[in-house]
Amino acid sequence: ETGVTQSPTHLIKTRGQQVTLRCSSQSGHNTVSWYQQALGQGPQFIFQYYREEENGRGNFPPRFSGLQFPNYSSELNVNALELDDSALYLCASSLSWGRANTGELFFGEGSRLTVL
Amino acid sequence: DQQVKQNSPSLSVQEGRISILNCDYTNSMFDYFLWYKKYPAEGPTFLISISSIKDKNEDGRFTVFLNKSAKHLSLHIVPSQPGDSAVYFCAASAVNDMRFGAGTRLTVKP
Repeated sequence: ETGVTQSPTHLIKTRGQQVTLRCSSQSGHNTVSWYQQALGQGPQFIFQYYREEENGRGNFPPRFSGLQFPNYSSELNVNALELDDSALYLCASSLSWGRANTGELFFGEGSRLTVL
Repeated sequence: DQQVKQNSPSLSVQEGRISILNCDYTNSMFDYFLWYKKYPAEGPTFLISISSIKDKNEDGRFTVFLNKSAKHLSLHIVPSQPGDSAVYFCAASAVNDMRFGAGTRLTVKP
């Protein structure tokens, strides 16, 4: 059983550029969520995808967008990068969300983005 | 908006003693609460959880207590071990949403 893997692990971009981060879900999981963790803070919920559709979103602007593919892997795209976007981006997979779900998430190691 | 708060950024305890980590939340719609543990250069890993219909859940050395009226939960680790040294995140979930606290760094001294 493979765990959640993310790529790249580190990257540096400049203001105004665009970035794509990738995530492979844990085997058997159909839900993926993305979190932003700034230094000294807890993970902040960006959005969640279930069976290729976004079904939950936190307080992030539209320039944060995502995709989930038929194999349940996922991408996070951020356009028009700002300095404050510098953070660790965590992907987490789980079984289907909802009342039956215990909420347990399986996290990857994260992609650390630095915006200069 | 900080719907989940961990007011202690750090905690240091002696090996063998009890560690108590606290968490407060503001949104009464949360109905499931979790604790995650994070080591450096790793993603958070699930530790223990509790449903809002319970007030206590125990798993080995780890016990989570929930006080719904006070919107407060705590994680007790007893006895604490040096390998427990990590950052602990409290999380609260509702449908299609999960919020995390800022974390508490626990250091267990031998």
